[in-house]
Amino acid sequence: AQSVAQPEDQVNVAEGNPLTVKCTYSVSGNPYLFWYVQYPNRGLQFLLKYITGDNLVKGSYGFEAEFNKSQTSFHLKKPSALVSDSALYFCAVRAGNTGKLIFGQGTTLQVKP
Amino acid sequence: EAQVTQNPRYLITVTGKKLTVTCSQNMNHEYMSWYRQDPGLGLRQIYYSMNVEVTDKGDVPEGYKVSRKEKRNFPLILESPSPNQTSLYFCASRRGENSPLHFGNGTRLTVT
Repeated sequence: AQSVAQPEDQVNVAEGNPLTVKCTYSVSGNPYLFWYVQYPNRGLQFLLKYITGDNLVKGSYGFEAEFNKSQTSFHLKKPSALVSDSALYFCAVRAGNTGKLIFGQGTTLQVKP
Repeated sequence: EAQVTQNPRYLITVTGKKLTVTCSQNMNHEYMSWYRQDPGLGLRQIYYSMNVEVTDKGDVPEGYKVSRKEKRNFPLILESPSPNQTSLYFCASRRGENSPLHFGNGTRLTVT
């Protein structure tokens, strides 16, 4: 079965430090992976996706994600965190031929000044 | 502005009183979907539609209905709401199967 896991409910970092939000996946066939961010009282916003090609994917707001096939991971990263990055982050994997997205449980990122 | 619009943003109702949450997109997307978001469970798909008059069940369809009579609209209907349907609901649409989903701002439903 296709699935995605975000092992951390919350990640705390200091402003200016690098951040990593972890995601692992399980799919049959080629993985199609996405990261979304949700700010309070808003819908999810697309950050970046991996379909094929370079393992390092760059996205919005300075975020990037590293695809690692051997570890079946797609961790979200940013070199220098901002307080405004504090939000709920979701990893998702495309499943099946309907293109349905399966979402992880979400990770709350807290960036402290 | 390209957007997905959901209404209402907040809704409090009582058990058994039929309600409809509307969803409209102005991007001419063929694919639309409804999700519910619950703490610790992420987003779970309720129903989706690949095109007009084509709808199918997602992972948690019980207690919900949808219709897709026109491309832009995809309402979610709760014929007899129950307290376990208290949740945050999101409508989303996208252009192609590898395109990102565009989400509405959500509808917070409370059923007492």
